[in-house]
Amino acid sequence: KQEVTQIPAALSVPEGENLVLNCSFTDSAIYNLQWFRQDPGKGLTSLLLIQSSQREQTSGRLNASLDKSSGRSTLYIAASQPGDSATYLCGCGDYKLSFGAGTTVTVRA
Amino acid sequence: NAGVTQTPKFQVLKTGQSMTLQCAQDMNHEYMSWYRQDPGMGLRLIHYSVGAGITDQGEVPNGYNVSRSTTEDFPLRLLSAAPSQTSVYFCASSYGRAQETQYFGPGTRLLVL
Repeated sequence: KQEVTQIPAALSVPEGENLVLNCSFTDSAIYNLQWFRQDPGKGLTSLLLIQSSQREQTSGRLNASLDKSSGRSTLYIAASQPGDSATYLCGCGDYKLSFGAGTTVTVRA
Repeated sequence: NAGVTQTPKFQVLKTGQSMTLQCAQDMNHEYMSWYRQDPGMGLRLIHYSVGAGITDQGEVPNGYNVSRSTTEDFPLRLLSAAPSQTSVYFCASSYGRAQETQYFGPGTRLLVL
């Protein structure tokens, strides 16, 4: 059974600082890893999808890396803004995802 | 496209009552899933479907039923609600089996008294 862990559970940074969010998983035989953003009371919005054959994906200020051998993925958010405040979730698998509990980010203006 | 839609947004039930959570998608996705999200925990898979007429159990299926009569709709039924089923329920869909982005609905918040 895939176990997914996200540390830390919460993070507070001043505006402009770079964010580093971690995701670790126990089974390296994953199809893909997906990073999501969740705003309070809302659904999940997909940010980046890294396929198992890829090592990283980038979209704007977001960059996600994947190291299957060590069972780790990292989401980098450059030059954070107050609008980046949300909970970030990683999910591993195919059409059936195993999720971490998320990291709640607060960016202080 | 409306994407993935869920109804209702919020529901209060008494213990023992039954209800159906609705989920629909207009993206012609074959794969659909139901998850529940509880405080401090990640989303957990309840049931999933790989196409019309095909469903299977996920990690936490007890107390829930599903059916998939069309590609678009994937309702989740609570047979006899229990307080332990108080949660936020999310429906998700994707086009392919793997290497495809999953799209989530806005969620249904359920309170069982």
